[in-house]
Amino acid sequence: LAKTTQPISMDSYEGQEVNITCSHNNIATNDYITWYQQFPSQGPRFIIQGYKTKVTNEVASLFIPADRKSSTLSLPRVSLSDTAVYYCFAGAAGNKLTFGGGTRVLVKP
Amino acid sequence: GAVVSQHPSWVICKSGTSVKIECRSLDFQATTMFWYRQFPKQSLMLMATSNEGSKATYEQGVEKDKFLINHASLTLSTLTVTSAHPEDSSFYICSARQGTGTEAFFGQGTRLTVV
Repeated sequence: LAKTTQPISMDSYEGQEVNITCSHNNIATNDYITWYQQFPSQGPRFIIQGYKTKVTNEVASLFIPADRKSSTLSLPRVSLSDTAVYYCFAGAAGNKLTFGGGTRVLVKP
Repeated sequence: GAVVSQHPSWVICKSGTSVKIECRSLDFQATTMFWYRQFPKQSLMLMATSNEGSKATYEQGVEKDKFLINHASLTLSTLTVTSAHPEDSSFYICSARQGTGTEAFFGQGTRLTVV
């Protein structure tokens, strides 16, 4: 289970790409990187997970450099409904699921 | 994706009473469940981790006699807030993980207000 550090907040505009970088300098070999999204008064939901290189799904892309000490969640062409808090987690199966502060993304019209 | 259902979505109770919150995994077996509380504009704070059939492991500072967690089956975990006080008012969230999986799936959350 690696300690993660993310920016506290980011502002963007509709239609832009948003990139959120998470640092996990002490990531272990067995750790995966997972990102979650949380809207106000809702539980978080899984967005994307990766181990190395690049992963893409219908919602986002996840870029992980070779040293795996950081990862970047990329949200293409955001809309107002993407305003949320985004959390990254770096850990393995069996680890406690603890979260850092997350990144509050505000998408403006 | 897997579905975790949490009930109730909100509850108001009187000071001194107990409240039970249920967390169910609807389409998978949750070998591990996590309980969190979240205050406004703050991150999720892990309260405890429970494995099916075992006693829950509480985080430091969380009173296990006040927040009773039961994980008696692979699809159900409950959190009971005993002798609730206004300071227990918060948003409580559960999540569940299957076997050796690394993904976790979250309930909708329960807004508890103690008056």
